Amino acid sequence: DSGVTQTPKHLITATGQRVTLRCSPRSGDLSVYWYQQSLDQGLQFLIQYYNGEERAKGNILERFSAQQFPDLHSELNLSSLELGDSALYFCASSVEAQGTQYFGPGTRLLVL
Amino acid sequence: DQQVKQNSPSLSVQEGRISILNCDYTNSMFDYFLWYKKYPAEGPTFLISISSIKDKNEDGRFTVFLNKSAKHLSLHIVPSQPGDSAVYFCAASAYAGGTSYGKLTFGQGTILTVHP
Repeated sequence: DSGVTQTPKHLITATGQRVTLRCSPRSGDLSVYWYQQSLDQGLQFLIQYYNGEERAKGNILERFSAQQFPDLHSELNLSSLELGDSALYFCASSVEAQGTQYFGPGTRLLVL
Repeated sequence: DQQVKQNSPSLSVQEGRISILNCDYTNSMFDYFLWYKKYPAEGPTFLISISSIKDKNEDGRFTVFLNKSAKHLSLHIVPSQPGDSAVYFCAASAYAGGTSYGKLTFGQGTILTVHP
């Protein structure tokens, strides 16, 4: 158990819909990262937050957004969903000044 | 542009023998490297890491070697056990300034199968 929690574990929805994925980092970790793992793309970095502020952006679509709240949990919002958005979405957290990231169990999103 | 590559999609090893997983990178800004183990439908589990100021790091049965001049790292598992069977990902990170590291860039993974 990494100490990072993600909900929900599974999500099935239809094209055009909007969903919210939630992540709680390990106690004391200020940085939260979101990654997407699809079948043909491997693990791809989406976005990083540090102590409530956006720190870095990766290959994140404009239809996707994220935020980190004062209690340090983070939410990833996916809107206007397409079939190709079906993937595993992982959240990771880290202590500042360290490179090791600890991953949650992921949310499996299926868009039908 | 794949900056981290694991050229072997799979590796099969007998229990008790050594498993060697390889990883190459192209970005010379990477200065922190990690190995993760992953089971299907689970999150990656951190195994071991190495900073670019070192060329070897050991933790129990796991040893990571870094060859900066060749931009190559490897993970050695000795002795291999059936429970080690999983997908292994190599990842790299670059110092992002201040006190932080940035995103992880992952390889495509190597499926390790350890036969009893």
